[in-house]
Amino acid sequence: TQLLEQSPQFLSIQEGENLTVYCNSSSVFSSLQWYRQEPGEGPVLLVTVVTGGEVKKLKRLTFQFGDARKDSSLHITAAQTGDTGLYLCAGDNSGAGSYQLTFGKGTKLSVIP
Amino acid sequence: GAGVSQSPSNKVTEKGKDVELRCDPISGHTALYWYRQSLGQGLEFLIYFQGNSAPDKSGLPSDRFSAERTGGSVSTLTIQRTQQEDSAVYLCASSPVLAEGVYGYTFGSGTRLTVV
Repeated sequence: TQLLEQSPQFLSIQEGENLTVYCNSSSVFSSLQWYRQEPGEGPVLLVTVVTGGEVKKLKRLTFQFGDARKDSSLHITAAQTGDTGLYLCAGDNSGAGSYQLTFGKGTKLSVIP
Repeated sequence: GAGVSQSPSNKVTEKGKDVELRCDPISGHTALYWYRQSLGQGLEFLIYFQGNSAPDKSGLPSDRFSAERTGGSVSTLTIQRTQQEDSAVYLCASSPVLAEGVYGYTFGSGTRLTVV
């Protein structure tokens, strides 16, 4: 079983601060996806990173895939209250013939005004 | 439809009863997944359908759980003789055909199942 460890589990910050969320594994993934989930809703895809070392930016969010494709990070600049939610990373095991994503347990982010 | 539709949104059932959860995926998406989300446990894979291929049932926790997908579209997840540990949010997701790798999922809003 390939596991994804996310840290921190919980994060509470003031509006305007920066933060980084980590997603780590001992396994190599074909790609890695980040989702955000709000209460009562399903997760919503934010980004997919595919190439080792890849960096993608989505407005104030910066996603990085580790060179060895085992880990990823999500950095948020100048957090806003609208960033509040559960952030999930998910690994694609298709390179090993498995077509379901493996999800981390998530980081619950609270941005306080 | 425009998104993945799940019904019911909430279900309260008595221990020992059977329940059926429905998922209507995005039209044209050939891959359909069921996951379970429990408090503090993350998303647990249950079952995956891809086109006309045999489903991957490797995540089903017991033989009380089963799922089918009719006509390559709507899917139903059935839990027989429900137990309190079955209480969770059941999420359905769909994605385009898997040619290379895994495309991003589009999730429904889930069915919150409570077994009392």
